[in-house]
Amino acid sequence: QLQLQESGPGLVKPSETLSLTCTVSGGSIRSSSYYWDWVRQPPGKGLEWIANIQYTGSTAYNPSLKSRVTISVDTSNNQFSLKLSSVTAADTAVYYCARYQCDSTKCNSFDFWGQGTLVTVSS
Amino acid sequence: DIQMTQSPSTLSASVGDRVTITCRASQSLSSWLAWYQQKPGKAPNLLIFKASSLENGVPSRFSGAESGTEFTLTISSLQPDDFATYYCQQYHSYPWTFGQGTKVEIK
Repeated sequence: QLQLQESGPGLVKPSETLSLTCTVSGGSIRSSSYYWDWVRQPPGKGLEWIANIQYTGSTAYNPSLKSRVTISVDTSNNQFSLKLSSVTAADTAVYYCARYQCDSTKCNSFDFWGQGTLVTVSS
Repeated sequence: DIQMTQSPSTLSASVGDRVTITCRASQSLSSWLAWYQQKPGKAPNLLIFKASSLENGVPSRFSGAESGTEFTLTISSLQPDDFATYYCQQYHSYPWTFGQGTKVEIK
């Protein structure tokens, strides 16, 4: 069974850079059918898609965050990562990594999720 | 961006009730819509993809339908495990966007 696990600091100071890593186990990150995504959810609020990446390094970003976001992939360690720069209190959220599946036979959006990690932006 | 308008924001219902949640897209999605269930402190769980296809392992009391740019999630007979928040999400074009959520509460 595929599992995703987020890791990274739970507290980040304003104006600094938030860095998270998602480790994928139980399956390979190397497939053209999969896109590896980050989604966040501020406390008590809804879901916001941040960005995704394929194992080839092909990326897509939410324009609302694009200027501050970098997503990268490490196929040798079956991981992908998120960096969000110049954070403010508005970036406080639970950050989820997720797998988006889409190929010629099936395209079913986010079928596997990590458990999520709360990142608080505060001095 | 494609806007997703979900209603109602809260729904009070009893076990055994038939429940319907609606999501309206600001443009055509060509059926590229998913529904998720989220329980407190947990990640969302995929229920329905491509507007009406049931994800593996999801009970058959959940169903999805589409009419133009309006999508519905129906729970045919609400069970105690179904009290949760539900989100729609479009994956027709970037950026992927979600509805605001519908919280299904015990009446």
